[in-house]
Amino acid sequence: EAEVAQSPRYKITEKSQAVAFWCDPISGHATLYWYRQILGQGPELLVQFQDESVVDDSQLPKDRFSAERLKGVDSTLKIQPAELGDSAMYLCASSSPADSRGKYQETQYFGPGTRLLVL
Amino acid sequence: RKEVEQDPGPFNVPEGATVAFNCTYSNSASQSFFWYRQDCRKEPKLLMSVYSSGNEDGRFTAQLNRASQYISLLIRDSKLSDSATYLCVVNKGSSYKLIFGSGTRLLVRP
Repeated sequence: EAEVAQSPRYKITEKSQAVAFWCDPISGHATLYWYRQILGQGPELLVQFQDESVVDDSQLPKDRFSAERLKGVDSTLKIQPAELGDSAMYLCASSSPADSRGKYQETQYFGPGTRLLVL
Repeated sequence: RKEVEQDPGPFNVPEGATVAFNCTYSNSASQSFFWYRQDCRKEPKLLMSVYSSGNEDGRFTAQLNRASQYISLLIRDSKLSDSATYLCVVNKGSSYKLIFGSGTRLLVRP
């Protein structure tokens, strides 16, 4: 079964450094999401792409976070500079209106996440 | 008020027990409802969608009460492998944006 790929799985960095996370969605999925999950909380949407276009980035801290999906396939999320409060799990998910597995179009499939620790 | 609220638990139950979780949501325009399961340090995975008429999948039953704006998940005959955090998920109003609750932790003991 196709899966969402993410790398790295773990990242330790010092505050003020730059970090980048990569996501490769399930093949053919037009919609890609980046979530942040702080320990003890549910995932919170940071940014949503439809193909290469940003659909929703209302919760993305744009002074330090950026996201791109240049060719409408894989995506990169960057943080510069990282702050202590950015320590969290960063999850990527994808979905497709024409999901061949017969699930509802809103079904989002998550990757394994990148666990970030900022020291 | 949070958009999606859940009792964080933990619910500590013996194997074979029946356990129920509730979740309330604030936006009456929401149309899509889900339960996701998240194992420790893993990604969330869809457990089941929740339909207006209620739905059942094996030992799991989900119910939706639109008038009171709450969703429930019932797990019968609990297994050790059911130990996880259960996330209640609701779409935001008329959009496809999903709002996740903070989760309810379930511990099933031998």
